Amino acid sequence: GAVVSQHPSRVICKSGTSVKIECRSLDFQATTMFWYRQFPKQSLMLMATSNEGSKATYEQGVEKDKFLINHASLTLSTLTVTSAHPEDSSFYICSAKGQGRPLHFGNGTRLTVT
Amino acid sequence: DQQVKQNSPSLSVQEGRISILNCDYTNSMFDYFLWYKKYPAEGPTFLISISSIKDKNEDGRFTVFLNKSAKHLSLHIVPSQPGDSAVYFCAASGGTSGTYKYIFGTGTRLKVLA
Repeated sequence: GAVVSQHPSRVICKSGTSVKIECRSLDFQATTMFWYRQFPKQSLMLMATSNEGSKATYEQGVEKDKFLINHASLTLSTLTVTSAHPEDSSFYICSAKGQGRPLHFGNGTRLTVT
Repeated sequence: DQQVKQNSPSLSVQEGRISILNCDYTNSMFDYFLWYKKYPAEGPTFLISISSIKDKNEDGRFTVFLNKSAKHLSLHIVPSQPGDSAVYFCAASGGTSGTYKYIFGTGTRLKVLA
């Protein structure tokens, strides 16, 4: 149980374009989802907390206009990287809160901006 | 300010022996700790957790020890198996950081040698 699906797993886009990443909780309802970013050999850094039906809460230093988060239903949250630049290339991971405290993570999305 | 630290970036252990992964934290308000295992290009997988009211939690080959006075936790894997080779992250939550806002360490790469 508690499966989180993230799509796409890999995406390559040109600089200036936008990319949408989807995160779905497959067998449970997630009122809260979290978006993380991981640079090579570094820790998972929380970008934002996504709450169903309300605006996302962004961590300090994360541009909300660049990383658009939508949590339209109890099973789906999306992260859109707008006007992507090479420095946005990273590994993005979503997680969802189910029952209990451990978070359940998606398999991540490797974004490469050329 | 790194609130959760894993000072050993890598660890090699012989198959069948014990693996000990360490994690230190600075925020005394953290009340819940977790260990996640991560393979390359995949999302983290929850392994084991411990609440601050306990000092030990065991699940099969995995045991987590918590020393609150030292603000230190460790993950013991015994016996270690080649399939345990992965990056292990400790994470902490609670206090003013929020119940589900996890702070991750930088990870320790475990290699179990056959």
